Amino acid sequence: AQSVTQLDSQVPVFEEAPVELRCNYSSSVSVYLFWYVQYPNQGLQLLLKYLSGSTLVKGINGFEAEFNKSQTSFHLRKPSVHISDTAEYFCAVSGPDNTDKLIFGTGTRLQVFP
Amino acid sequence: SAVISQKPSRDICQRGTSLTIQCQVDSQVTMMFWYRQQPGQSLTLIATANQGSEATYESGFVIDKFPISRPNLTFSTLTVSNMSPEDSSIYLCSVEGVGVHEQYFGPGTRLTVT
Repeated sequence: AQSVTQLDSQVPVFEEAPVELRCNYSSSVSVYLFWYVQYPNQGLQLLLKYLSGSTLVKGINGFEAEFNKSQTSFHLRKPSVHISDTAEYFCAVSGPDNTDKLIFGTGTRLQVFP
Repeated sequence: SAVISQKPSRDICQRGTSLTIQCQVDSQVTMMFWYRQQPGQSLTLIATANQGSEATYESGFVIDKFPISRPNLTFSTLTVSNMSPEDSSIYLCSVEGVGVHEQYFGPGTRLTVT
């Protein structure tokens, strides 16, 4: 069975500093990996996804993530955060079958301070 | 991408009553999903709804408690039956993009049961 671990429940950071949100997954088959963001009182918005190909994936709002198969990780990074990046970030995994469900991690609360 | 709307956006209900949540998509989609996000928690898949067939429920969720309808390719409803305070959550619907491996989420319905 697939699972996702987000070790950091909260990540405080100052504005313009770099940030990394960690995500590890477990699966016995090839997977698709996703990062979603949830702003307060809103639904989820897809930041980026990895399906195949280049292991460095660039997404919206300046975020990027790197797929590392040997370490089973898909960490999210941004070189310089803004106050507006304050939100909940969810890592998710699914199998290659279109009908596979998304398995979400427990989420990481990114708090950006001025 | 797909634009998804949900009604109501929020509601406060008394225990023992039922609430039906509507999910409308601006394009025809095969797969629709219903998730629950309990306060401060991650998303948990309730069921997958395909048009023209019975919904498939995840472990821990049953049709009597969460009946789902999927009358056409752009619409679905989730009913939360015989509600208790433990049902207080955000309920989100999502759809699988056509030809792309990603899900798009609605804004959610915030339910409070008193």
